Amino acid sequence: SQKIEQNSEALNIQEGKTATLTCNYTNYSPAYLQWYRQDPGRGPVFLLLIRENEKEKRKERLKVTFDTTLKQSLFHITASQPADSATYLCALDPAGNFNKFYFGSGTKLNVKP
Amino acid sequence: DARVTQTPRDKVTEMGQEVTMRCQPILGHNTVFWYRQTMMQGLELLAYFRNRAPLDDSGMPKDRFSAEMPDATLATLKIQPSEPRDSAVYFCASALGGETEAFFGQGTRLTVV
Repeated sequence: SQKIEQNSEALNIQEGKTATLTCNYTNYSPAYLQWYRQDPGRGPVFLLLIRENEKEKRKERLKVTFDTTLKQSLFHITASQPADSATYLCALDPAGNFNKFYFGSGTKLNVKP
Repeated sequence: DARVTQTPRDKVTEMGQEVTMRCQPILGHNTVFWYRQTMMQGLELLAYFRNRAPLDDSGMPKDRFSAEMPDATLATLKIQPSEPRDSAVYFCASALGGETEAFFGQGTRLTVV
Protein backbone atom coordinates (compact mmCIF):
# COMPACT_ATOMS: atom_id res chain seq x y z
CA SER A 1 0.00 0.00 0.00
CA GLN A 2 1.02 3.62 -0.39
CA LYS A 3 2.46 5.30 2.67
CA ILE A 4 3.95 8.58 3.77
CA GLU A 5 5.92 8.24 6.98
CA GLN A 6 7.17 10.90 9.31
CA ASN A 7 8.69 10.33 12.70
CA SER A 8 5.82 10.36 15.16
CA GLU A 9 8.14 11.08 18.08
CA ALA A 10 8.72 14.71 18.88
CA LEU A 11 12.11 16.16 18.01
CA ASN A 12 13.61 18.18 20.86
CA ILE A 13 16.58 20.38 20.09
CA GLN A 14 18.40 23.33 21.58
CA GLU A 15 18.03 26.81 20.19
CA GLY A 16 20.66 27.57 17.57
CA LYS A 17 21.05 23.97 16.43
CA THR A 18 19.91 22.55 13.10
CA ALA A 19 16.68 20.56 13.12
CA THR A 20 16.34 17.78 10.56
CA LEU A 21 13.00 16.16 9.87
CA THR A 22 12.42 13.14 7.64
CA CYS A 23 9.66 12.19 5.24
CA ASN A 24 9.74 8.73 3.70
CA TYR A 25 7.28 7.39 1.19
CA THR A 26 6.59 4.04 -0.41
CA ASN A 27 4.81 3.04 -3.59
CA TYR A 28 4.55 6.61 -4.84
CA SER A 29 6.45 8.34 -7.62
CA PRO A 30 5.57 11.97 -6.89
CA ALA A 31 6.40 14.73 -9.29
CA TYR A 32 6.92 17.06 -6.35
CA LEU A 33 6.68 17.25 -2.60
CA GLN A 34 5.66 20.02 -0.22
CA TRP A 35 6.37 20.87 3.40
CA TYR A 36 3.88 22.61 5.67
CA ARG A 37 3.97 23.96 9.19
CA GLN A 38 1.03 23.56 11.57
CA ASP A 39 0.60 25.36 14.87
CA PRO A 40 -1.92 24.16 17.50
CA GLY A 41 -5.49 25.11 16.62
CA ARG A 42 -4.56 26.34 13.16
CA GLY A 43 -4.50 25.03 9.63
CA PRO A 44 -1.27 23.99 7.91
CA VAL A 45 0.78 26.74 6.28
CA PHE A 46 2.85 26.11 3.16
CA LEU A 47 6.63 26.41 3.47
CA LEU A 48 8.42 24.90 0.48
CA LEU A 49 7.86 22.87 -2.67
CA ILE A 50 10.54 20.73 -4.31
CA ARG A 51 10.23 19.01 -7.68
CA GLU A 52 11.50 15.56 -8.56
CA ASN A 53 14.28 16.98 -10.72
CA GLU A 54 15.53 19.25 -7.92
CA LYS A 55 17.93 17.88 -5.37
CA GLU A 56 17.72 20.78 -2.96
CA LYS A 57 15.65 23.90 -2.30
CA ARG A 58 16.35 26.72 0.12
CA LYS A 59 14.34 29.53 1.64
CA GLU A 60 15.96 31.65 4.32
CA ARG A 61 16.82 29.23 7.18
CA LEU A 62 14.93 26.35 5.57
CA LYS A 63 16.37 23.68 3.30
CA VAL A 64 14.63 20.73 1.69
CA THR A 65 16.21 17.81 -0.13
CA PHE A 66 14.45 15.26 -2.30
CA ASP A 67 15.97 11.88 -3.08
CA THR A 68 13.69 9.97 -5.44
CA THR A 69 15.93 6.90 -5.30
CA LEU A 70 15.70 6.66 -1.52
CA LYS A 71 12.09 7.90 -1.65
CA GLN A 72 12.91 10.41 1.02
CA SER A 73 12.79 14.12 1.69
CA LEU A 74 14.72 15.86 4.45
CA PHE A 75 13.65 19.18 5.92
CA HIS A 76 16.26 21.27 7.71
CA ILE A 77 15.88 24.36 9.86
CA THR A 78 19.22 26.00 10.59
CA ALA A 79 19.86 28.26 13.57
CA SER A 80 16.58 27.07 15.06
CA GLN A 81 14.55 29.35 17.33
CA PRO A 82 11.83 28.64 19.90
CA ALA A 83 9.39 30.24 17.43
CA ASP A 84 10.10 27.33 15.06
CA SER A 85 8.37 24.97 17.48
CA ALA A 86 5.43 23.46 15.60
CA THR A 87 4.36 20.34 13.77
CA TYR A 88 5.84 19.92 10.30
CA LEU A 89 4.00 17.95 7.64
CA CYS A 90 5.13 16.68 4.29
CA ALA A 91 2.66 16.28 1.45
CA LEU A 92 2.93 14.77 -1.98
CA ASP A 93 0.88 14.70 -5.10
CA PRO A 94 1.36 11.29 -6.72
CA ALA A 95 -0.08 12.36 -10.05
CA GLY A 96 1.94 15.56 -10.25
CA ASN A 97 -0.97 17.58 -11.52
CA PHE A 98 -2.20 18.99 -8.23
CA ASN A 99 -5.23 16.78 -8.14
CA LYS A 100 -4.65 15.01 -4.86
CA PHE A 101 -2.44 15.89 -1.93
CA TYR A 102 -1.65 13.24 0.65
CA PHE A 103 -0.10 14.27 3.95
CA GLY A 104 2.18 12.52 6.36
CA SER A 105 1.19 12.48 10.02
CA GLY A 106 3.71 15.18 10.89
CA THR A 107 6.61 15.54 13.31
CA LYS A 108 6.40 17.87 16.29
CA LEU A 109 9.49 20.02 16.73
CA ASN A 110 10.31 21.55 20.12
CA VAL A 111 13.09 24.11 20.18
CA LYS A 112 14.25 24.86 23.70
CA PRO A 113 15.77 28.22 24.61
CA ASP B 1 -5.71 39.87 3.37
CA ALA B 2 -6.73 36.86 1.27
CA ARG B 3 -7.58 33.81 3.34
CA VAL B 4 -9.82 30.79 3.42
CA THR B 5 -12.74 31.26 5.79
CA GLN B 6 -14.50 28.36 7.49
CA THR B 7 -17.64 28.41 9.58
CA PRO B 8 -18.41 27.45 12.23
CA ARG B 9 -15.11 27.27 14.13
CA ASP B 10 -16.57 24.87 16.66
CA LYS B 11 -19.62 22.64 16.53
CA VAL B 12 -20.99 20.29 19.15
CA THR B 13 -23.91 18.18 18.06
CA GLU B 14 -25.78 15.09 19.09
CA MET B 15 -25.44 11.83 17.26
CA GLY B 16 -27.91 11.58 14.41
CA GLN B 17 -28.09 15.30 13.74
CA GLU B 18 -27.17 16.91 10.43
CA VAL B 19 -24.01 18.99 10.35
CA THR B 20 -23.11 21.49 7.63
CA MET B 21 -19.68 23.06 7.42
CA ARG B 22 -19.00 25.97 5.10
CA CYS B 23 -15.92 27.27 3.39
CA GLN B 24 -15.20 30.43 1.45
CA PRO B 25 -12.11 29.85 -0.69
CA ILE B 26 -9.70 32.58 -1.65
CA LEU B 27 -11.14 34.63 -4.50
CA GLY B 28 -9.80 33.39 -7.82
CA HIS B 29 -8.69 29.99 -6.58
CA ASN B 30 -10.11 27.22 -8.75
CA THR B 31 -9.33 24.20 -6.57
CA VAL B 32 -10.95 23.43 -3.23
CA PHE B 33 -10.07 20.57 -0.89
CA TRP B 34 -11.77 19.12 2.18
CA TYR B 35 -9.55 17.38 4.72
CA ARG B 36 -10.29 15.75 8.06
CA GLN B 37 -7.67 15.65 10.82
CA THR B 38 -7.60 13.33 13.82
CA MET B 39 -4.83 12.26 16.13
CA MET B 40 -5.03 8.69 14.89
CA GLN B 41 -5.31 9.24 11.14
CA GLY B 42 -3.67 12.61 10.60
CA LEU B 43 -4.85 14.67 7.64
CA GLU B 44 -7.11 12.68 5.34
CA LEU B 45 -8.26 13.98 1.98
CA LEU B 46 -12.03 13.68 1.78
CA ALA B 47 -12.85 15.43 -1.49
CA TYR B 48 -11.69 18.08 -3.90
CA PHE B 49 -13.17 20.30 -6.58
CA ARG B 50 -11.69 21.92 -9.65
CA ASN B 51 -13.66 24.81 -11.17
CA ARG B 52 -16.58 23.80 -8.91
CA ALA B 53 -16.73 20.28 -10.36
CA PRO B 54 -16.12 17.40 -7.96
CA LEU B 55 -13.03 15.55 -9.16
CA ASP B 56 -12.71 12.97 -6.45
CA ASP B 57 -14.62 12.20 -3.30
CA SER B 58 -13.34 8.69 -2.79
CA GLY B 59 -12.06 9.61 0.66
CA MET B 60 -15.54 10.32 1.95
CA PRO B 61 -17.99 7.85 3.48
CA LYS B 62 -20.63 8.12 0.75
CA ASP B 63 -23.58 7.07 2.80
CA ARG B 64 -23.44 10.02 5.16
CA PHE B 65 -21.10 12.65 3.74
CA SER B 66 -21.72 14.97 0.83
CA ALA B 67 -19.69 17.87 -0.55
CA GLU B 68 -20.88 20.57 -2.93
CA MET B 69 -19.86 23.90 -4.41
CA PRO B 70 -23.04 25.86 -5.06
CA ASP B 71 -20.93 28.69 -6.44
CA ALA B 72 -17.31 29.72 -6.72
CA THR B 73 -17.36 31.45 -3.34
CA LEU B 74 -18.87 28.66 -1.26
CA ALA B 75 -18.04 25.03 -0.59
CA THR B 76 -20.06 22.91 1.82
CA LEU B 77 -19.47 19.61 3.58
CA LYS B 78 -22.51 17.94 5.05
CA ILE B 79 -22.79 14.97 7.37
CA GLN B 80 -26.17 13.34 7.80
CA PRO B 81 -26.59 11.59 10.15
CA SER B 82 -23.55 12.43 12.26
CA GLU B 83 -21.85 9.82 14.42
CA PRO B 84 -19.34 10.09 17.29
CA ARG B 85 -16.58 8.73 15.03
CA ASP B 86 -16.99 11.81 12.84
CA SER B 87 -15.52 13.95 15.64
CA ALA B 88 -12.46 15.63 14.15
CA VAL B 89 -11.18 18.92 12.81
CA TYR B 90 -12.34 19.52 9.25
CA PHE B 91 -10.17 21.73 7.08
CA CYS B 92 -10.97 23.39 3.82
CA ALA B 93 -8.12 24.50 1.57
CA SER B 94 -8.00 26.28 -1.75
CA ALA B 95 -5.37 26.62 -4.45
CA LEU B 96 -4.82 28.19 -7.84
CA GLY B 97 -4.20 24.78 -9.34
CA GLY B 98 -1.04 23.72 -11.06
CA GLU B 99 2.09 23.60 -8.97
CA THR B 100 1.00 25.95 -6.26
CA GLU B 101 0.50 25.51 -2.57
CA ALA B 102 -2.78 24.96 -0.79
CA PHE B 103 -4.05 27.64 1.58
CA PHE B 104 -5.87 26.22 4.57
CA GLY B 105 -8.68 27.65 6.64
CA GLN B 106 -8.69 27.63 10.43
CA GLY B 107 -10.77 24.47 10.50
CA THR B 108 -14.08 23.43 12.05
CA ARG B 109 -13.74 21.39 15.22
CA LEU B 110 -16.65 18.97 15.24
CA THR B 111 -17.67 17.04 18.33
CA VAL B 112 -20.47 14.51 18.02
CA VAL B 113 -21.79 13.29 21.37
